[in-house]
Amino acid sequence: DTEVTQTPKHLVMGMTNKKSLKCEQHMGHRAMYWYKQKAKKPPELMFVYSYEKLSINESVPSRFSPECPNSSLLNLHLHALQPEDSALYLCASSHLHKKGNTEAFFGQGTRLTVV
Amino acid sequence: GQQLNQSPQSMFIQEGEDVSMNCTSSSIFNTWLWYKQDPGEGPVLLIALYKAGELTSNGRLTAQFGITRKDSFLNISASIPSDVGIYFCAGQGSQGAQKLVFGQGTRLTINP
Repeated sequence: DTEVTQTPKHLVMGMTNKKSLKCEQHMGHRAMYWYKQKAKKPPELMFVYSYEKLSINESVPSRFSPECPNSSLLNLHLHALQPEDSALYLCASSHLHKKGNTEAFFGQGTRLTVV
Repeated sequence: GQQLNQSPQSMFIQEGEDVSMNCTSSSIFNTWLWYKQDPGEGPVLLIALYKAGELTSNGRLTAQFGITRKDSFLNISASIPSDVGIYFCAGQGSQGAQKLVFGQGTRLTINP
């Protein structure tokens, strides 16, 4: 099973709303990631969790708040977003190796539209 | 920071033709990954490379980890319509584990 499951697949939210994106994997991976992808662009790293602890924050605005409740789940809490935050949000996971090799598996993404 | 230059940006080919695309970097990478992404979907891992000089195949796909560790290529033989999509290279270098850097992508279009 090499599946990363993201919900919802589509989300439309107003700028005053609070919503959450969810991600789940059962591959025993101890690294989980959030990426943001704009149209016709490559994925851009937002956050990395290693062993359920936040290890990388790529200077993401505080209106995006990640959470890793356990080794299988990753959430991204959204609050007071702007229209320019509309994008495809991708979750990924990977094993952690000493050399840091990162064979990341991606979910199908959540298409977020901020109105 | 580390950047990947992926080329070509787009390709228009006839069904049955072979395809080649590559990524280069000014710095050394420890891992090279190749992904394919269909519209509205997440990237799907095609091939992972971990050693300089490594040549790996996955069906009609073949990828190599450059001997200098600064480049990688992906070949697709005998293209078929379902090969259409965007192909991304991704590398993980020495600047922190778990940090994948993506190329800009190669958009492949196939004329039947």
